[in-house]
Amino acid sequence: NAGVTQTPKFQVLKTGQSMTLQCAQDMNHEYMSWYRQDPGMGLRLIHYSVGAGITDQGEVPNGYNVSRSTTEDFPLRLLSAAPSQTSVYFCASSPGAAPSNQPQHFGDGTRLSIL
Amino acid sequence: AQTVTQSQPEMSVQEAETVTLSCTYDTSESDYYLFWYKQPPSRQMILVIRQEAYKQQNATENRFSVNFQKAAKSFSLKISDSQLGDAAMYFCAYRTHGGSQGNLIFGKGTKLSVKP
Repeated sequence: NAGVTQTPKFQVLKTGQSMTLQCAQDMNHEYMSWYRQDPGMGLRLIHYSVGAGITDQGEVPNGYNVSRSTTEDFPLRLLSAAPSQTSVYFCASSPGAAPSNQPQHFGDGTRLSIL
Repeated sequence: AQTVTQSQPEMSVQEAETVTLSCTYDTSESDYYLFWYKQPPSRQMILVIRQEAYKQQNATENRFSVNFQKAAKSFSLKISDSQLGDAAMYFCAYRTHGGSQGNLIFGKGTKLSVKP
């Protein structure tokens, strides 16, 4: 059981480049989300999805796009990378669209550096 | 909006001793969920323990237990018989109960060191 799989694990970009961070889960979870983690900060929500075809913004959505065409996949796109987007990115999923005490399952993170 | 505050950026404990990590939160909701996550140097986010706000009984998971004080909006984590493998960042997180927003709101974390 793979759980939540993020690719790549590390990436270096130049300012202005675009890229997509991949996230896939094999647990048939309806809820998926993206967080970023910066030094001295907790994780902050970028975007989330409560099911295929449904996405919404979190606390820090600027500069990022998402889509959810399938239950399994929730890619995060940086259209024009900026140094301020240097961070560690986590994808997470949990069962059901409604909140519950079920914990979110996290991927191993992607460390992204923008030069 | 809900906020989560962890007032201890760093803590240290002697192996086999007990340590308590503090967490307070601000909310106007009556139903919600609280979590403690552990993040070791490997960067993984590992669930340590969870608490439903409607439950008065404090959650316990082996050496980990919480002191949940709903009126005071406090959710501290106690680690008993600390082990070297407990060294990590610990994050307190809040999750709303209502609507479709099951998003987690995290504190800034507490870095725990365990001395042999």
